[in-house]
Amino acid sequence: QVQLVQSGAEVKKPGASVKVSCKASGYTFTSYGISWVRQAPGQGLEWMGWISAYNGNTNYAQKLQGRVTMTTDTSTSTAYMELRSLRSDDTAVYYCARDLRGGSFDYWGQGTLVTVSS
Amino acid sequence: QSVLTQPPSVSAAPGQKVTISCSGSSSNIGNNYVSWYQQLPGTAPKLLIYDNNKRPSGIPDRFSGSKSGTSATLGITGLQTGDEADYYCGTWDSSLSADVVFGGGTKLTVL
Repeated sequence: QVQLVQSGAEVKKPGASVKVSCKASGYTFTSYGISWVRQAPGQGLEWMGWISAYNGNTNYAQKLQGRVTMTTDTSTSTAYMELRSLRSDDTAVYYCARDLRGGSFDYWGQGTLVTVSS
Repeated sequence: QSVLTQPPSVSAAPGQKVTISCSGSSSNIGNNYVSWYQQLPGTAPKLLIYDNNKRPSGIPDRFSGSKSGTSATLGITGLQTGDEADYYCGTWDSSLSADVVFGGGTKLTVL
């Protein structure tokens, strides 16, 4: 069965960086893209960007351009999302999701809580 | 402020039907497929509908989706207490930035 398993919770200080991993199993990793979606406490969903697991092409949300980098390691079927220059309003649960097509996400990781606090 | 507009809350009794609307524009819903997600408390979102009206395997036919112009609708029939959740619509926005956009979410209460 398809599974996306994410790394554990992180606590970071403002200005620091965080890197979250998402290990995929149960399907051919390079056949689907991976998107990252975050959710601030009590808020809605915010798409952060997408990476092709086939060729590494990326498309980042305009709001996060310059602060976010998404990568993949096809040898371990793992996707990574790094967010730099963290601010308090980056505190959120970060999800990876398999991109079925056209912005539809059919499998999701369990989420990783990132807390930014001094 | 979300790009797609959803009502903050809807409610209905068990066994009844409810609809949740999602309003956008020609740069998003008007020219792209819409998806719907269910998020139970403390869990990751779950895909209910994609390509406007298709259900993934395992999603019961109590859930349906439709689109007309720049609006989309999620319908849920035979409401169950287990349907109490937040529901989100999502689609591509093919404006300058080409991002995926979501609605602000609708809290469904089954009375």
